[in-house]
Amino acid sequence: EVQLVQSGAEVKKPGESLKISCKGSGYSFTSYWIGWVRQMPGKGLEWMGIIYPGDSDTRYSPSFQGQVTISADKSISTAYLQWSSLKASDTAMYYCVRRGSGQYYFDYWGQGTLVTVSS
Amino acid sequence: SYELTQPPSVSVSPGQTARITCSGDALPKQYAYWYQQKPGQAPVLVIYKDSERPSGIPERFSGSSSGTTVTLTISGVQAEDEADYYCQSADSSGTHVVFGGGTKLTVL
Repeated sequence: EVQLVQSGAEVKKPGESLKISCKGSGYSFTSYWIGWVRQMPGKGLEWMGIIYPGDSDTRYSPSFQGQVTISADKSISTAYLQWSSLKASDTAMYYCVRRGSGQYYFDYWGQGTLVTVSS
Repeated sequence: SYELTQPPSVSVSPGQTARITCSGDALPKQYAYWYQQKPGQAPVLVIYKDSERPSGIPERFSGSSSGTTVTLTISGVQAEDEADYYCQSADSSGTHVVFGGGTKLTVL
């Protein structure tokens, strides 16, 4: 069974750094792209970027380029999303997603990680 | 930047047919996908490649495409179908993913 299991909720202060994780299991982790999707409170879905764990090829949405860093450690089948300096506007639910085979869609979703940034 | 446009809300009575549209200039060239999100849950893929249904998704969910508009149709709507629905596609270059703004389906 394919599973994406994300790290737990975080509460941070503005200016702090953060790295959240997404562990894949039940499939070949290095053979599928893993992406991240943001959902701000009460709002819609926003694609942030995606990484191919096999070779670490990474693409970012223009809206998130330079704002976050996506990485992966294939030895432990885990993808990461990190911030170097959080802002209150980063408060949101973050989902990791697996890209479907051959097409640009997301067939499996993690349970989500809620990030709250507040002073 | 490329956008996909959905109606903010659609309301139907149980047993009726709900149709949710999604418009975008690149849709004639790029497949569309649909996700269902219930409150407090992660989204679930309900339609891929315009009209294909993943295993486990009820047959009452179907998708179609015509020009710059794709449509998610839910036949014989049930109370459990009340949710937010998002279309998703890629820009004309196929480089960047785009989500529609979402449509809240209310079952009266």
